[in-house]
Amino acid sequence: NAGVTQTPKFQVLKTGQSMTLQCAQDMNHEYMSWYRQDPGMGLRLIHYSVGAGITDQGEVPNGYNVSRSTTEDFPLRLLSAAPSQTSVYFCASSPRGQTSYNEQFFGPGTRLTVL
Amino acid sequence: QQQVKQSPQSLIVQKGGISIINCAYENTAFDYFPWYQQFPGKGPALLIAIRPDVSEKKEGRFTISFNKSAKQFSLHIMDSQPGDSATYFCAASISGATNKLIFGTGTLLAVQP
Repeated sequence: NAGVTQTPKFQVLKTGQSMTLQCAQDMNHEYMSWYRQDPGMGLRLIHYSVGAGITDQGEVPNGYNVSRSTTEDFPLRLLSAAPSQTSVYFCASSPRGQTSYNEQFFGPGTRLTVL
Repeated sequence: QQQVKQSPQSLIVQKGGISIINCAYENTAFDYFPWYQQFPGKGPALLIAIRPDVSEKKEGRFTISFNKSAKQFSLHIMDSQPGDSATYFCAASISGATNKLIFGTGTLLAVQP
């Protein structure tokens, strides 16, 4: 199993450009999430999905869109990049269980710089 | 509003010493408290987790202590090793349908040889 994969690993954008961060998992996990990591801020939840076709907002959703057409893929879209979106982005997945006591598996991250 | 407060921001410990990282939470509905470990350039990985029905959980050199009345929990790393040098995040969540985690701000641990 490859686990959770993310592409690209690094990306530089200019203000106003759009792009999609890709995330895929091969563990048949129902839950998938996107976090951003900033110095001194920890990991903050952007959007999450509890299954194909179902998404919802996290703590910091503004400026980001998501969709979940398949169990495996959960892309994150930046429609008009801003310098405030410079961050390291992590995708995570976890299996669905009776409770939330389920380990989240993180991808290797995408380091995004917006100039 | 930071729902999970973590301290210290950074920590330097000598090899063989005890590393202690503390977290406090506000929401009494939280019922799952994991700790994640992150090495430079990598994604976080689950280290150890506890539920509020127990006051302590130990896995090898890593122990979580949980104080429900004080709404605090801490990670103790015994016999700290240079290989433990990493960033540690505490987190909390509410059991249910969403599996959302609320993370603390992280502690950068450096274990000196």
